[in-house]
Amino acid sequence: DAGITQSPRHKVTETGTPVTLRCHQTENHRYMYWYRQDPGHGLRLIHYSYGVKDTDKGEVSDGYSVSRSKTEDFLLTLESATSSQTSVYFCAIRDSPFEKLFFGSGTQLSVL
Amino acid sequence: SQKIEQNSEALNIQEGKTATLTCNYTNYSPAYLQWYRQDPGRGPVFLLLIRENEKEKRKERLKVTFDTTLKQSLFHITASQPADSATYLCALGGLGGGSQGNLIFGKGTKLSVKP
Repeated sequence: DAGITQSPRHKVTETGTPVTLRCHQTENHRYMYWYRQDPGHGLRLIHYSYGVKDTDKGEVSDGYSVSRSKTEDFLLTLESATSSQTSVYFCAIRDSPFEKLFFGSGTQLSVL
Repeated sequence: SQKIEQNSEALNIQEGKTATLTCNYTNYSPAYLQWYRQDPGRGPVFLLLIRENEKEKRKERLKVTFDTTLKQSLFHITASQPADSATYLCALGGLGGGSQGNLIFGKGTKLSVKP
């Protein structure tokens, strides 16, 4: 398995609180991605990074921010969580934009 | 509008039969297409990649075809086994422009193989 770890695995939080999810990789891959997966929508890209301090928005970026200060870490922050952000969040990595993705095990986030 | 559709949400077949999953897309011109398997509570796992200039790819009991004229990919699992039960996702890539190679995923087809 690719060396990719997401933390926490599960989190329950209240509406309006900030939340940060962490993705850590040991593969030295350049590209890192945050997806959310919801019933009826499939996997949707939130933000991605193509290098340290290089990030860009995906399809559903509103309400989310990211940071990548080191190659191995990609953080996803919900500044003020809402119930619509209840979802399963997956981090993924790859070394080039034309290769396969390696996914983490996911974070189940519930916003009450 | 741009769409990627997988033929059905669920597919039930008998063990030993061939499972065929469909991925159709409109208003995209992908340079390649990927298939992933996802088990409950786990992240997707890559299975196969096929490029636009390839008609067919095989890996053990898996076969994928890619028809850019029909804008369709078919994913086959031959001699299916209960262990093949999972959700299968197709993803389009190499979409050009400012996409940075980002993948667009279908919603998946849940395959159940009965003994």
